Amino acid sequence: KNEVEQSPQNLTAQEGEFITINCSYSVGISALHWLQQHPGGGIVSLFMLSSGKKKHGRLIATINIQEKHSSLHITASHPRDSAVYICAVRGSEKLVFGKGTKLTVNP
Amino acid sequence: NAGVTQTPKFQVLKTGQSMTLQCAQDMNHNSMYWYRQDPGMGLRLIYYSASEGTTDKGEVPNGYNVSRLNKREFSLRLESAAPSQTSVYFCASSTLAGSSYNEQFFGPGTRLTVL
Repeated sequence: KNEVEQSPQNLTAQEGEFITINCSYSVGISALHWLQQHPGGGIVSLFMLSSGKKKHGRLIATINIQEKHSSLHITASHPRDSAVYICAVRGSEKLVFGKGTKLTVNP
Repeated sequence: NAGVTQTPKFQVLKTGQSMTLQCAQDMNHNSMYWYRQDPGMGLRLIYYSASEGTTDKGEVPNGYNVSRLNKREFSLRLESAAPSQTSVYFCASSTLAGSSYNEQFFGPGTRLTVL
């Protein structure tokens, strides 16, 4: 069983829809990361959080430590949000990654 | 400020050939990492260096060696390439803030094909 599970694997939405991507993990962590991988392959960090909620523009990330669960929300989705979104958890020095959720937002 | 740079961007090797992937960061980060990304799988850690002068194995180290040349540079070497090492390789770096690691910054990736 993977330590980090993401759902759904693939997600197609219409422009303007509210998007939720989920991440569950099975180990104790010091932090959880959400990353975005562009169609061209580049990877950028969106959030790093260890409790509560963070917001950046139209993106919101939440984490529930007790339930070992995190969600990434995108409000008013846009075609430029199309990417693979990756959840990763940090126990100590290393990150363990989920397989990613491929999001496609159609105009 | 270039962030994390990797060379080359693309490489094709024949089975048994050797090569070194180069990575450099200009953010004064202590920790550097090499990952591979394969279809249908998450990023997997090959080797990492928590600080200058130290290196440790990750999840999939077999067939690879690394060198932390200085604080800026962390190279990955394939001594005898195999088709199973066809993958996209990412270098990343991060640093400690107190006792907690900050976010990781990723290089653009190297797409390697071994024939």
